[in-house]
Amino acid sequence: QQQVKQSPQSLIVQKGGISIINCAYENTAFDYFPWYQQFPGKGPALLIAIRPDVSEKKEGRFTISFNKSAKQFSLHIMDSQPGDSATYFCAASAPLRGYNKLIFGAGTRLAVHP
Amino acid sequence: EAGVTQSPTHLIKTRGQQATLRCSPISGHTSVYWYQQALGLGLQFLLWYDEGEERNRGNFPPRFSGRQFPNYSSELNVNALELEDSALYLCASSGGPGQGRNEQFFGPGTRLTVL
Repeated sequence: QQQVKQSPQSLIVQKGGISIINCAYENTAFDYFPWYQQFPGKGPALLIAIRPDVSEKKEGRFTISFNKSAKQFSLHIMDSQPGDSATYFCAASAPLRGYNKLIFGAGTRLAVHP
Repeated sequence: EAGVTQSPTHLIKTRGQQATLRCSPISGHTSVYWYQQALGLGLQFLLWYDEGEERNRGNFPPRFSGRQFPNYSSELNVNALELEDSALYLCASSGGPGQGRNEQFFGPGTRLTVL
């Protein structure tokens, strides 16, 4: 029930295309869902996050779609660029319940080809 | 604004030794989290400290321990090192509990290699 399942494991997209990464969770206590971007040799960087009271959040080329009934959320990267090539992690936590630890998905390695 | 800093960048130890890793949170943050990123195992939660207290720990043996100092910096200690402890150890910081959003910002990590 603590798991966050992420797919696909790897993704190849052409420059200018849309990258879509999906995550699913079981624990309905989760109320905070961030996405992180990690480049090799670096720590994860917070990209965008969503709470379950909204169905979509957009920041620049990055959009989170959230489906509370299906317990799924996804990251869309519009107009993907070679500089977006990195590993992306979804995560979940329940900070309103004092459950601050992040449970991470396994990660998606994205390669954007020019 | 300075981000989360960690030291050392790399650490090489032999099996059975002890390792000490350090973290300084973003100014104003009171919570510090430690995560382990081992090859093939993803990011696993280790410990959470807030206001000097341990708030939660992950499924790791007791030889993984830590503390948080009055200035909110933190130290992770790993005793009796084993080969499988080789990993990138990441520290993150956030505002204190109860703030709802729990935005955690990560440092660059300490790469621990156990020989």
